[in-house]
This record gives sequence, structure tokens and C-alpha cells, in this order.
Amino acid sequence: EIVLTQSPATLSLSPGERATLSCRASQSVSDSLAWYQQKPGQAPRLLISDASNRPPGIPARFSGSGFGTDFILTISSLEPEDFAVYYCQQRSSWPLLTFGGGTKVEIK
Amino acid sequence: EVKLLESGGGLVQPGGSLRLSCVASGYNFGSHAMTWVRQAPGKGLEWVSGISSAGGDTNYADSVKGRFTISRDSSKNTVYLQVDSLRVEDTAVYYCARSPGYQYYYMDVWGKGTTVTVSS
Repeated sequence: EIVLTQSPATLSLSPGERATLSCRASQSVSDSLAWYQQKPGQAPRLLISDASNRPPGIPARFSGSGFGTDFILTISSLEPEDFAVYYCQQRSSWPLLTFGGGTKVEIK
Repeated sequence: EVKLLESGGGLVQPGGSLRLSCVASGYNFGSHAMTWVRQAPGKGLEWVSGISSAGGDTNYADSVKGRFTISRDSSKNTVYLQVDSLRVEDTAVYYCARSPGYQYYYMDVWGKGTTVTVSS
């Protein structure tokens, strides 16, 4: 099973600051990685697929990078609505999918 | 508007069963794979099961294999998750999610979830 480790567990930042979230895979997943945002009481929302592709409707302040085992989700300038929990997910081991444990971005 | 609406959750005793349903609307149901993802209280996301767009390919997480069954009915635009032999650790919000293509790789549309509580 491919294990995804996200860090830090919690990120305390102020609106307008840059957020950098990490996801590390226990073995190479190529570029087969997605990022999701989840707000309290809501379903997750897809932000990034295949490491760096942003679906229609996702703001340009969200960007993804990385390949192999190390991936980064960057939020260039935090908006108030961006404070949430973020999860990475890999599809390299399809048909089995796995999620990371999540990073909570909270207001400092 | 693309929508997914889950139902069928509830309180059940250990060893019991439920059938979760997810009705899709606003898109060509038969062109998209579907997935169930769960979230235990205060915990992260866990992939549970996936089914291809045509229904011929089904897969399960090891934690539910042999106890859960995923299926889909294109005439009703509905995907199901039959959950049997329930355990306390199956307590979670169960989300239905659509994948962009014929296989379930990522999930681009999610329902609001249905809550399953397993307790005596």
C-alpha cells in the first residue's frame, strides 16, 4: 500500500500570506496525485489533479507541483475562504486509492 | 447542475446491514465512474470502493472487502453500496463521488454524504 504523509499537520497563517503544503509518498506515484479542500461540515472539493492540473472553476491562486514522491500544494495568497483542511490522494496504485492524513490551514 | 444525493444511512447494530444509495443528476451518468469515500468522526478521508462507468469493474479497500458491495443502475442514475456485517469502526459519513472519466482515478463531484452509525 502506498502511504501518503502530509506535513505539517497544522499550518497557522494570516490572510494574504502564502501557504505551502507538503505530501510525500512512500514510493513513486509519478504525477498521479490530486489535492482536495474540505471545509467543516462540507464534502471535499477537487483542487488539483495529476499533480499540477487545475480543474475549471478553481482559482489560480491554487497551484500544485511535484513528481515521484514529493508534492507541494501552494496557495499564493490566502483568502478567508481558504482556511480549511487539505488532503492529497494518489491513484498510482489503482485499483486501490489512498489519501493522506490532511493538513489543516488555520487563521493565525 | 451536476448533483449527487446520498441516502440510506442510519443507526444499526454491529453485524447489521444497510443499503446506501446515490442518485446522480445533471450529467451523462453512464460516462463516469463512481466512488464511495468515507470519513470517520474527526478523522481523514478513506477510499472505500469504486465502480467503472459500465459497471464491469468493481474494487474495494481491504478494510471492507467481502462485506461491502458496490453496484450501479443506469436506468435509475443510481449507484449503491450494500454494507453488510457492519462493525463499530465502519461508523462514518459516506460520500458518493463522481470521477471525470470511465475509471475512478480522482473525484470531481461529491455528494453531501450520508451518516452510518454502528452501535449497540
